[in-house]
Amino acid sequence: EAQVTQNPRYLITVTGKKLTVTCSQNMNHEYMSWYRQDPGLGLRQIYYSMNVEVTDKGDVPEGYKVSRKEKRNFPLILESPSPNQTSLYFCASSFSEGGSHEQYFGPGTRLTVT
Amino acid sequence: RKEVEQDPGPFNVPEGATVAFNCTYSNSASQSFFWYRQDCRKEPKLLMSVYSSGNEDGRFTAQLNRASQYISLLIRDSKLSDSATYLCAVRGTGGFKTIFGAGTRLFVKA
Repeated sequence: EAQVTQNPRYLITVTGKKLTVTCSQNMNHEYMSWYRQDPGLGLRQIYYSMNVEVTDKGDVPEGYKVSRKEKRNFPLILESPSPNQTSLYFCASSFSEGGSHEQYFGPGTRLTVT
Repeated sequence: RKEVEQDPGPFNVPEGATVAFNCTYSNSASQSFFWYRQDCRKEPKLLMSVYSSGNEDGRFTAQLNRASQYISLLIRDSKLSDSATYLCAVRGTGGFKTIFGAGTRLFVKA
């Protein structure tokens, strides 16, 4: 089954404790992206990757890191989480050619930082 | 001004009604346009891509107006199952950065 998976689905952590949210897709997509979704603000892009070893900042990259060492994986790293990073996070992937392809989203990770 | 703006919600409509959503974008170089549907606490899923000539899929019709920089979504004969949040998305030149609207909530009532 073609899908995007994220882990963990739910996470409660404390300020400053490094964490990683994993994202994996099995559709051989070149393009992957991370978003956060907050009430009233919609989906905001954190980072995206056009292919292996190629990443770039989205609109809200502060406090986050990413890496793309393999085509299928695109982990999101919070080196020192803070309460303002409490949010619902979605990973997405798509084919990249022409930019006209739909994005497939993972099920989401609900993160709470206390 | 936000790069992508949508009609404020929520829209409350009876079954069978026709409802329309608009979404405006500020970057005239935007290349690709989409409507996504998001159910409560779930991931967004593509409803329709929006083409320059307009496109229709059953009860759903999407249109693009480049001159006025907006896209629209029309839902005819609304069903209870159409209740969801509808997100518009715009991709710029090169197709790598995607901007989403904040979403419009639709409630269809019996």
